[in-house]
Amino acid sequence: AQSVTQLDSQVPVFEEAPVELRCNYSSSVSVYLFWYVQYPNQGLQLLLKYLSGSTLVKGINGFEAEFNKSQTSFHLRKPSVHISDTAEYFCAVSEGGSQGNLIFGKGTKLSVKP
Amino acid sequence: EAGVAQSPRYKIIEKRQSVAFWCNPISGHATLYWYQQILGQGPKLLIQFQNNGVVDDSQLPKDRFSAERLKGVDSTLKIQPAKLEDSAVYLCASSTGPNQPQHFGDGTRLSIL
Repeated sequence: AQSVTQLDSQVPVFEEAPVELRCNYSSSVSVYLFWYVQYPNQGLQLLLKYLSGSTLVKGINGFEAEFNKSQTSFHLRKPSVHISDTAEYFCAVSEGGSQGNLIFGKGTKLSVKP
Repeated sequence: EAGVAQSPRYKIIEKRQSVAFWCNPISGHATLYWYQQILGQGPKLLIQFQNNGVVDDSQLPKDRFSAERLKGVDSTLKIQPAKLEDSAVYLCASSTGPNQPQHFGDGTRLSIL
């Protein structure tokens, strides 16, 4: 069965510093991978997705993620964060061929401090 | 383009009462999803519709939860009777098809007393 592990429940960082949010997955078949962001009292917004092709995926708001099949990881990075990036970030996986049936991790709360 | 609309935004009820949530997906989106997001966890899929048919309801607690999408547009999720463990945010999402990106509404926060 598929599962997603987000290794850090909270990540505090200062403004303009780089950040990496870690995500590992387990699956016996090919997968699609996603990162979503959730601002307080709002729904989820898609940041980026990996379906196939280049393993480095660029998303909105300056975020990028790299798919590493051998390490079954899909870590999210941003070289310089802003206060407005404070939110909860969810990694999700679905079986290859479908973007439905998303399995989400427990989320990582990113707190950007001035 | 208007996003996914959900109502109410907040609901407080006592255990054993019933409650209903409403979702209006993005116009033209054939696929609709209901998720349950318990505090401190990621969303968990409850049910997926393709037009007015159920595609996946394997994680829906059918003894108390029901959902319908009669005309293939709006959808309603009902809980009857509610239990304390049902306290969560209920998210609705829609997509143009089952293999397309999902767009989420802002959710309904349910508190059970």
